[in-house]
Amino acid sequence: AQSVAQPEDQVNVAEGNPLTVKCTYSVSGNPYLFWYVQYPNRGLQFLLKYITGDNLVKGSYGFEAEFNKSQTSFHLKKPSALVSDSALYFCAVRDPSGNTPLVFGKGTRLSVIA
Amino acid sequence: DARVTQTPRHKVTEMGQEVTMRCQPILGHNTVFWYRQTMMQGLELLAYFRNRAPLDDSGMPKDRFSAEMPDATLATLKIQPSEPRDSAVYFCASGLRRQGARNTEAFFGQGTRLTVV
Repeated sequence: AQSVAQPEDQVNVAEGNPLTVKCTYSVSGNPYLFWYVQYPNRGLQFLLKYITGDNLVKGSYGFEAEFNKSQTSFHLKKPSALVSDSALYFCAVRDPSGNTPLVFGKGTRLSVIA
Repeated sequence: DARVTQTPRHKVTEMGQEVTMRCQPILGHNTVFWYRQTMMQGLELLAYFRNRAPLDDSGMPKDRFSAEMPDATLATLKIQPSEPRDSAVYFCASGLRRQGARNTEAFFGQGTRLTVV
């Protein structure tokens, strides 16, 4: 069965600095990987996904993520953090069959400090 | 602007009462998911449907939870009787799964915040 680990409950970063939110996965075969963001009192919003192709995936709001098969990681990154990026971030995985639902990590709370 | 709609947004009820949460998936989507979010457990999958048929509801406590799709535009999640430990935010999500197509993401509703007192 597939699983996702987000090793950090909380990430703090100063505005303007680069940010990284970590995610590692476990799945048989080539994974489908996703990042979602949740703002307070809102549902999850899709940020980006990796299905195949380039290991660096660009998504919404200037975010990108790098798929690293050897390290089974899919870290979320942004070159310059904004205070408005403060939110809860979820990594998710689906197995290659596509017949299973997304399995989510526990989430990482990102705080960007002005 | 296509979106998943959930009602109600907030629900406070007494222990033992029946709770019904509703979800209108995005028109044309053939897959519907119910997730529960709590501080302790994060996001847990409760059930999901494809083409209105339940594919997996192993995440639901069967004795009190039930999920149905009376038609393609409505999914319901019921709890009867409700208990304080059911207090959580319940999310519905929908997606489109097509044969031979690249995998697509799920789109989430804004959730129903349930408080059982």
